[in-house]
Amino acid sequence: GEDVEQSLFLSVREGDSSVINCTYTDSSSTYLYWYKQEPGAGLQLLTYIFSNMDMKQDQRLTVLLNKKDKHLSLRIADTQTGDSAIYFCAECSSASKIIFGSGTRLSIRP
Amino acid sequence: EAGVAQSPRYKIIEKRQSVAFWCNPISGHATLYWYQQILGQGPKLLIQFQNNGVVDDSQLPKDRFSAERLKGVDSTLKIQPAKLEDSAVYLCASRAPGDNEQFFGPGTRLTVL
Repeated sequence: GEDVEQSLFLSVREGDSSVINCTYTDSSSTYLYWYKQEPGAGLQLLTYIFSNMDMKQDQRLTVLLNKKDKHLSLRIADTQTGDSAIYFCAECSSASKIIFGSGTRLSIRP
Repeated sequence: EAGVAQSPRYKIIEKRQSVAFWCNPISGHATLYWYQQILGQGPKLLIQFQNNGVVDDSQLPKDRFSAERLKGVDSTLKIQPAKLEDSAVYLCASRAPGDNEQFFGPGTRLTVL
């Protein structure tokens, strides 16, 4: 079945890089997404990557996709306090349905 | 451009009561989604509309949940009767034709006592 897994928590020091990892199961996924959710707010799309790409960079964000291992990662360079949030990995399945992971809570240490 | 609007933002009811949520998508967005997000989990799709037609309601508990989008714009999601396990945030999202991105509203936080 379709499933997306990610670790629940990540703590990094301010200024360091954060790397959030995700694994998915649907090999026919066309798009993979990273969403950000701040307390009391809806989900905000951070970035997405087509399944035929290996990497996508957007300012401080770098997405890496390993299709063979069905592994997706999000790297946030120079992590700031404003990056504190829950980050959701999601895949667009073959049925054009978006399946979300359970989210990784990123906390920033001074 | 106005975002996806949802109301109410918060709702507290007792079990076995009924509740309704409202969503106004971004203008021109033909596709509308309702998600349920239980605390500590990712959003789970309940129903997807394309204009006023249902595309996918396979995960909607139809014995108690219903949704409609009669004129292909606003949508309402109803729970009747509510159970304790329905406590969650209900998110509405919309998507423009040909676009990859779903835009999410702020959600309605439902607490069932």
